[in-house]
Amino acid sequence: DTAVSQTPKYLVTQMGNDKSIKCEQNLGHDTMYWYKQDSKKFLKIMFSYNNKELIINETVPNRFSPKSPDKAHLNLHINSLELGDSAVYFCASSQRNEQFFGPGTRLTVL
Amino acid sequence: QKEVEQNSGPLSVPEGAIASLNCTYSDRVSQSFFWYRQYSGKSPELIMSIYSNGDKEDGRFTAQLNKASQYVSLLIRDSQPSDSATYLCAVARSYNTDKLIFGTGTRLQVFP
Repeated sequence: DTAVSQTPKYLVTQMGNDKSIKCEQNLGHDTMYWYKQDSKKFLKIMFSYNNKELIINETVPNRFSPKSPDKAHLNLHINSLELGDSAVYFCASSQRNEQFFGPGTRLTVL
Repeated sequence: QKEVEQNSGPLSVPEGAIASLNCTYSDRVSQSFFWYRQYSGKSPELIMSIYSNGDKEDGRFTAQLNKASQYVSLLIRDSQPSDSATYLCAVARSYNTDKLIFGTGTRLQVFP
């Protein structure tokens, strides 16, 4: 049973397109996160939701819009994709600060 | 100064040796400290958490925390080739529902 799952695993798209990544957790956790890991492997938080409420919003371009329909799901929609958006995006969930990561979505913008 | 600093490595150790991974952090009020292991092409996996000064042992892993020196380390005893991965140190200000600040990771190579 997968604890934190993400779809799709790979996403290849053209500049200017809009795309979404979905995340689901079956751990019963209240808090979910989106992270970006760049080509240098640096992992940086983007957003966090606690029980469907946005609690962390780092300095991320407003082309990125998270949405949490319920506490088990957190989606990420990206408008007008740019080359610099190419990265691996990880979803995570936690009950305290012990965060558990999904398998990641490798986004490539051409 | 980076918020969480790690030596990028690679740290090369022979099989059976002790691998010592180090991390320093800049925010004095940090309360929660974590070590994650990330294999190439995979997601980070939590291996240790520590909240109080001193040592915490779990199997072959020991985390050490010194808040006065703003230093946290991970020791891996009896290193195995399967331990070869990047180890990420992460720090949070509070105990609950807080953002983790990650270091850039130390790549560990265990050779037979």
